[in-house]
Amino acid sequence: SQQGEEDPQALSIQEGENATMNCSYKTSINNLQWYRQNSGRGLVHLILIRSNEREKHSGRLRVTLDTSKKSSSLLITASRAADTASYFCATRTGANSKLTFGKGITLSVRP
Amino acid sequence: DADVTQTPRNRITKTGKRIMLECSQTKGHDRMYWYRQDPGLGLRLIYYSFDVKDINKGEISDGYSVSRQAQAKFSLSLESAIPNQTALYFCATSERQGIGANVLTFGAGSRLTVL
Repeated sequence: SQQGEEDPQALSIQEGENATMNCSYKTSINNLQWYRQNSGRGLVHLILIRSNEREKHSGRLRVTLDTSKKSSSLLITASRAADTASYFCATRTGANSKLTFGKGITLSVRP
Repeated sequence: DADVTQTPRNRITKTGKRIMLECSQTKGHDRMYWYRQDPGLGLRLIYYSFDVKDINKGEISDGYSVSRQAQAKFSLSLESAIPNQTALYFCATSERQGIGANVLTFGAGSRLTVL
């Protein structure tokens, strides 16, 4: 069963706009990660946030984590056409536990 | 060369055939994983290995087997392929411990079609 559920399932925005994607999960986590997948390619790790962290930044990416609501958001600022991809959140419940992926969000950035 | 290499990249086969998907890595990572991706279902873990002599079932291991021949190699076998095993298969690796144990490095994927 899926631990993380992303929302929305699909998002279409204009280049230059910000994209916000959400992930909700069911059980307590050790950390939450976001991955990107370009069409037909392998997933690429973007960012990891630990359960005791509330916000992290990496370039144009900003991730927040609200453990009380069991949710996370990924914000991509000033989006580019090259950001068009599927984005997955993944959660790990313990140190040696498996990483469980959500179903993904399809982001389309129009030039 | 890619850090995690999967072969073949594409394979079409018939029901009942035995298929092996191979994965090799140059990351020096101890942990290796096989995932399956289906449209609308995300990624599901098939098998994983934390070391050469360690094999663990994931959430959808039925119909699959694996072999960890060496630290750098992890192969996935379908003994008798069936059409609902048509999917995109990914191999991934991670470090043994520390923050790197949490982050997966993926191969480019092997697209398998079972007719």
